[in-house]
Amino acid sequence: GAVVSQHPSWVICKSGTSVKIECRSLDFQATTMFWYRQFPKQSLMLMATSNEGSKATYEQGVEKDKFLINHASLTLSTLTVTSAHPEDSSFYICSASSLTSGREAYYEQYFGPGTRLTVT
Amino acid sequence: AQSVTQLGSHVSVSEGALVLLRCNYSSSVPPYLFWYVQYPNQGLQLLLKYTSAATLVKGINGFEAEFKKSETSFHLTKPSAHMSDAAEYFCAVREGYNKLIFGAGTRLAVHP
Repeated sequence: GAVVSQHPSWVICKSGTSVKIECRSLDFQATTMFWYRQFPKQSLMLMATSNEGSKATYEQGVEKDKFLINHASLTLSTLTVTSAHPEDSSFYICSASSLTSGREAYYEQYFGPGTRLTVT
Repeated sequence: AQSVTQLGSHVSVSEGALVLLRCNYSSSVPPYLFWYVQYPNQGLQLLLKYTSAATLVKGINGFEAEFKKSETSFHLTKPSAHMSDAAEYFCAVREGYNKLIFGAGTRLAVHP
């Protein structure tokens, strides 16, 4: 259970074009999804928190007009990189948050496999 | 604000040797702590987590970690390294009710 998929797994696009990345929770509903960016040999940097039915919350320094996030349903969030440039090339990872069961329930994040974006 | 520091960006061990990956945290509230593993070009897989229950936490693939409040540490260990353990390991602390703050990561190399 708790599987998160991302599509595509890798994409190459030309500078100036836009690219959409999908994040889906396959067997659970997620009111909150997160989008991370990871540069080579570096840690994950949180870009934004996506809440179903409302606007995403962006981290400081992340351009909301460049990285458009839509969380249209409880199982799907999309990240669109608009007017992509080579510096946007990176590994993008999403996660979906779900409340665990049990006495000490908490929100656990389940991670997708990532999307490698290369902008030429 | 919560934070984690991973000591040692690279750790190299021999196959069969003890694995010790260090993580220290800073938190203004009782922390929830996590260790994740990442293989090349893949997402993160949860190894284990501490959520205020037992201080010694056992995870998958033979890993375990001990929460030590007095030392603000949550080090990851495995008694005997296997070649398949070679990967990037991230320590994380929860911020708020569902955000994660990650450490810089430690790359584990296992040599024969």
